[in-house]
Amino acid sequence: DAGVTQSPTHLIKTRGQQVTLRCSPKSGHDTVSWYQQALGQGPQFIFQYYEEEERQRGNFPDRFSGHQFPNYSSELNVNALLLGDSALYLCASSALPLHDLEQYFGPGTRLTVT
Amino acid sequence: GQQLNQSPQSMFIQEGEDVSMNCTSSSIFNTWLWYKQDPGEGPVLLIALYKAGELTSNGRLTAQFGITRKDSFLNISASIPSDVGIYFCAGETDNYGQNFVFGPGTRLSVLP
Repeated sequence: DAGVTQSPTHLIKTRGQQVTLRCSPKSGHDTVSWYQQALGQGPQFIFQYYEEEERQRGNFPDRFSGHQFPNYSSELNVNALLLGDSALYLCASSALPLHDLEQYFGPGTRLTVT
Repeated sequence: GQQLNQSPQSMFIQEGEDVSMNCTSSSIFNTWLWYKQDPGEGPVLLIALYKAGELTSNGRLTAQFGITRKDSFLNISASIPSDVGIYFCAGETDNYGQNFVFGPGTRLSVLP
């Protein structure tokens, strides 16, 4: 049973560039949430996708956008990168709207903006 | 916005000792989750709590959902070196799994 997978593992970008991160949810899960984790902090919720639509969004600017595909995998796009966007980006999957509220995380993508 | 506080911020214990950490908030939460994160990896779910007063165990780990729904604690008994890591609590308010708020974490170090 494959867990949550993310790609790439590491990424280095320059200020102003755009980046796309990818996530495949755990088998049987249909909901994907994205989090940003700065060094030394807890994960911060970016947004959640279910049925290919954004259901909920955290306090992040429009530069952060996403997409969910029919196979439940998801992408996180960040435009006009800032130095402050450097962080570990985590994807978590769950099975909603069933009773299972437990979210399972992938290993993350470490983004460095120079 | 909703915030979670975790204490202690960090702790050093001897192998074999019991550990207790907690998570508090000024807001009410309907679900509490406890995660452990190792360096360079994503958080791993340890325990999920869904009802006020609920006490749940997972091996040497025990967690409780506070009666006021504003706090939760995690206990680890007979700590071992692999317990080292950062422990995060996460709370959710609407029972639909839409938005989990994470605490800043408790960093646990276990001395042999």
